[in-house]
Amino acid sequence: QSVLTQPPSVSGAPGQRVTISCTGSSSNIGAGFDVHWYQQLPGTAPKLLIYGNNNRPSGVPDRFSGSKSGTSASLAITGLQAEDEANYYCQSYDNSLSGLDWVFGGGTKVTVL
Amino acid sequence: EVQLVESGGGLVQPGGSLRLSCVASGFSFSSYGMHWVRQPTGKALEWVAAIGTTGDTYYPGSVKGRFTISRENAKSSLYLQMNSLRVGDTAVYYCARVSPCGSYHCFDSWGQGTLVTVSS
Repeated sequence: QSVLTQPPSVSGAPGQRVTISCTGSSSNIGAGFDVHWYQQLPGTAPKLLIYGNNNRPSGVPDRFSGSKSGTSASLAITGLQAEDEANYYCQSYDNSLSGLDWVFGGGTKVTVL
Repeated sequence: EVQLVESGGGLVQPGGSLRLSCVASGFSFSSYGMHWVRQPTGKALEWVAAIGTTGDTYYPGSVKGRFTISRENAKSSLYLQMNSLRVGDTAVYYCARVSPCGSYHCFDSWGQGTLVTVSS
């Protein structure tokens, strides 16, 4: 079971807006740690999509945006396109007994209808 | 262009050992922290190990004492020595570079992964 909780799947028609939540706790997101998001297309390695809660690396379309509040974060995709069909993972850090762990969400599969 | 190429995966029996390698190119390897992240088929990503630029190492509780991460800057290479392997360690293992991202670090480059299967 992942430390960060994401919905298993979301779907939307082309052009629509979808959001993916990432819920943590006071030992990770709620402790003030940044949240990053990764996109994993089928059969490929993950790719950095959003960093530092709401920043896009060069080359990432501006239809992807991120936000963070309290113990949760969200990824929004506006103007959904067929090429956005992929798995999305949030990532943060967690104060564990063994130190600072890098933690991921369970992943959300986005389906374009 | 940043490239990370993993190798060394394969089939190993429970209790066995395996050593993964990752060769980096396209950037100054010694200047970056490096990690291993794994993904069981159809499941989520899981952080496995980290090594800083000065050789400091970090592990989650699930692999601490069994896995050892190391680096050889002269060869731009990262390694993961895995001992006492369990069926639950079966996954694709990715080598990943970290860079400053806001107040912390994030995985900004990933290899293509190498499959480790632990089975009798």
